[in-house]
Amino acid sequence: GAGVSQSPRYKVAKRGQDVALRCDPISGHVSLFWYQQALGQGPEFLTYFQNEAQLDKSGLPSDRFFAERPEGSVSTLKIQRTQQEDSAVYLCASSHVRGTGNEQYFGPGTRLTVT
Amino acid sequence: SQQGEEDPQALSIQEGENATMNCSYKTSINNLQWYRQNSGRGLVHLILIRSNEREKHSGRLRVTLDTSKKSSSLLITASRAADTASYFCATDSGAGSYQLTFGKGTKLSVIP
Repeated sequence: GAGVSQSPRYKVAKRGQDVALRCDPISGHVSLFWYQQALGQGPEFLTYFQNEAQLDKSGLPSDRFFAERPEGSVSTLKIQRTQQEDSAVYLCASSHVRGTGNEQYFGPGTRLTVT
Repeated sequence: SQQGEEDPQALSIQEGENATMNCSYKTSINNLQWYRQNSGRGLVHLILIRSNEREKHSGRLRVTLDTSKKSSSLLITASRAADTASYFCATDSGAGSYQLTFGKGTKLSVIP
């Protein structure tokens, strides 16, 4: 079946612009995670949804970052007033179980470049 | 912040050789997972080992976990060129946390 998809795959934004990144998880997956991956580093946790509830947003780096999953399926990560340090790959992952006790299925990521 | 530290940072071997990567972490865990990432792609789950397990096998992969030393190793036997990728360990600390904490990864190159 279809895996996790993300769009756009690449996004170039001028500093100060707002961006919205979309994640389509695997159908029926309860858990959805967002990660930020800087070049040469491992992914860093941003936020977690269980269905439509955002249960953990402790990894969001600033109040410019906002995520939602209103109907418990598709999720959007929004970054307001982008800064150069926001340049990274943003990964979305989903899992059919609650929490982190099982494998996560990752999308291909959105590479954000802020100029 | 990243809890796991993979070692070595980079590894280059000939096809057919075995590759061993190590991961150390700092806090107690519920489980530890290994993921592979090909250049410019998303991560693919390889294997999960729970804190009460010591060793696990999956195909050409063998993972060990030593909770007393807070370390894990991933062994890939009879490596292939297609195994060229970055490998990450990720830990789940449980206790109501939803964070999967990744290390910085080991970049493996398998030379044909």
